[in-house]
Amino acid sequence: ETGVTQSPTHLIKTRGQQVTLRCSSQSGHNTVSWYQQALGQGPQFIFQYYREEENGRGNFPPRFSGLQFPNYSSELNVNALELDDSALYLCASSLETGAITDTQYFGPGTRLTVL
Amino acid sequence: AQRVTQPEKLLSVFKGAPVELKCNYSYSGSPELFWYVQYSRQRLQLLLRHISRESIKGFTADLNKGETSFHLKKPFAQEEDSAMYYCALMDSSYKLIFGSGTRLLVRP
Repeated sequence: ETGVTQSPTHLIKTRGQQVTLRCSSQSGHNTVSWYQQALGQGPQFIFQYYREEENGRGNFPPRFSGLQFPNYSSELNVNALELDDSALYLCASSLETGAITDTQYFGPGTRLTVL
Repeated sequence: AQRVTQPEKLLSVFKGAPVELKCNYSYSGSPELFWYVQYSRQRLQLLLRHISRESIKGFTADLNKGETSFHLKKPFAQEEDSAMYYCALMDSSYKLIFGSGTRLLVRP
């Protein structure tokens, strides 16, 4: 059991709405990464937070934003939802950042459907 | 451009047969490569990483810089190996770039 949890499990929204997805990292893990996994594709990196600061970002527009809190929880916020935002959203926590030997532990994901 | 390519969406083998899941990468620096696995109804988890040069559950992977490949191999497949396998590359900013995955089906 890796200890990374995500909520909610499933979510349905309509185009133009805003959504907040939540992740609880494994205790002691200072780094959280968020990924978007479209159907039939591998996870695609959205951004990473380290000690509550954004620490790298993939090719996603600014309407994708995040927060990390001192209690090892984090949020992914998406504004102005589009149909193409429908995907599985994964968070992954790791002890530190910048260490190749550090393992990322994934949560079960949140399935977002945008109608 | 940094990219990971897994050319096979599905690989079906019989139990006891050898398995090779292909992974090719495009990266300008010295790559660090990983294999992740997702069993049915379970979360994505690390299977092995290049830097550790380890064998996990009988799987090995060798980095071939000349062919820019990191194929995953197992000499004798087991039914419990059936899963989705993702090859991933860690870039210089320590973010993971995943391939699109290969579903391995091991038939009895």
